[in-house]
Amino acid sequence: QMQLVQSGPEVKKPGTSVKVSCKASGFTFINSAVQWARQARGQGLEWVGWIAVGTGVTNYAQKFQERVTFTRDVSTSTAYMELGSLRSEDTAIYYCAGTLEWELPSSFDFWGQGTLVTVSS
Amino acid sequence: SYDLTQPPSVSVSPGQTARITCSGDELPDHYAYWYQQRPGQAPVLVIYKDSQRPSGIPERFSGSSSGTTVTLTISGVQAEDEADYYCQLADYSTATYLLFGGGTKLTVL
Repeated sequence: QMQLVQSGPEVKKPGTSVKVSCKASGFTFINSAVQWARQARGQGLEWVGWIAVGTGVTNYAQKFQERVTFTRDVSTSTAYMELGSLRSEDTAIYYCAGTLEWELPSSFDFWGQGTLVTVSS
Repeated sequence: SYDLTQPPSVSVSPGQTARITCSGDELPDHYAYWYQQRPGQAPVLVIYKDSQRPSGIPERFSGSSSGTTVTLTISGVQAEDEADYYCQLADYSTATYLLFGGGTKLTVL
């Protein structure tokens, strides 16, 4: 079955960066897009952006545009999200999600388990 | 930017029908998607393109759309349906914009 497995929890200091990985299996990675969303404790979901795996085209939510970078490694079927200039408000669970609708990804069809990123001095 | 508005909470007894609404001015022009998130778990897609059900999602989950409101209906609610539910849309008309509603906590009494 289609599966995404994310890297483990991270604790970072303000001003630094974090890189979260998302390893895919059970589908043709290159024919997919990977969405990223986050959820602060007790809060709702917030879209961060997406990467089309085959083309490498990215689309970032305006709020994160200056600080986030998505990359992918097709040889290992892994997508990455790097978020820089971390502040305490970035403390959240970060989710990757896959969709086979890679040209204009509109949904989050199957999800990773989430990665808790804690930003604290 | 714009908003998708959901009621914070909905409560029903087991076996009854739960209806969770999501309102937004942009909804008539875009498909809506619904996600279920049980406590401590990642979300799961339960409805796509307003009314389509992914494989593996029980038939008691259905979606509908009317004007500026979309509705997730759960017929014959079971205890395991207690969760947070989020609506979501994607807008590619002028700029790329994916948006979630604020979420609705479904309580099974």
